[in-house]
Amino acid sequence: DQQVKQNSPSLSVQEGRISILNCDYTNSMFDYFLWYKKYPAEGPTFLISISSIKDKNEDGRFTVFLNKSAKHLSLHIVPSQPGDSAVYFCAASARRGTYKYIFGTGTRLKVLA
Amino acid sequence: EPEVTQTPSHQVTQMGQEVILRCVPISNHLYFYWYRQILGQKVEFLVSFYNNEISEKSEIFDDQFSVERPDGSNFTLKIRSTKLEDSAMYFCASSPGTASDTQYFGPGTRLTVL
Repeated sequence: DQQVKQNSPSLSVQEGRISILNCDYTNSMFDYFLWYKKYPAEGPTFLISISSIKDKNEDGRFTVFLNKSAKHLSLHIVPSQPGDSAVYFCAASARRGTYKYIFGTGTRLKVLA
Repeated sequence: EPEVTQTPSHQVTQMGQEVILRCVPISNHLYFYWYRQILGQKVEFLVSFYNNEISEKSEIFDDQFSVERPDGSNFTLKIRSTKLEDSAMYFCASSPGTASDTQYFGPGTRLTVL
């Protein structure tokens, strides 16, 4: 089941620079997308979401961009901080008739001080 | 800030034994979920629960699995006869169930089946 894909297993960024994490999806029924951050031995922590009626959503240092025609979303973190080092999961949901989230495999972000 | 809690944090069991994983969802939430993550793999949906019944389940959630909300605060996942391949992190989540669909996850229970 490859409906949600994160093709970069890892990413290293210098502190203060921009981190860009990417996610692709195949199911055109998805209408809600989320990013979660996960530290080792903890559960996924909700970061930011976007509905398919929008193409951008911002929350502080975090911005999610959605390109529906390309079935692509990205998470921008500006400026990156060492505390942002974690695994980031993209998730998607087709909210009509289902509440389940489909997760990507995750991207491990390392922010270098 | 309200959060989902799960107990135990780590459960070790012998193959064939029954285990019950416990969760306390966020108090005003209406929808409850279980997901699992086998080491090195994706987080996978198992089941959703609303109004005291299963609203959706995945193909993973076979007859060996069951869920229950035994009282007003707890939400449990039971695995009747554990298999080696049930070893995974099990995450409970809850959501308000209204226009705000975001699911909030607990810290997980690591299940190790020997």
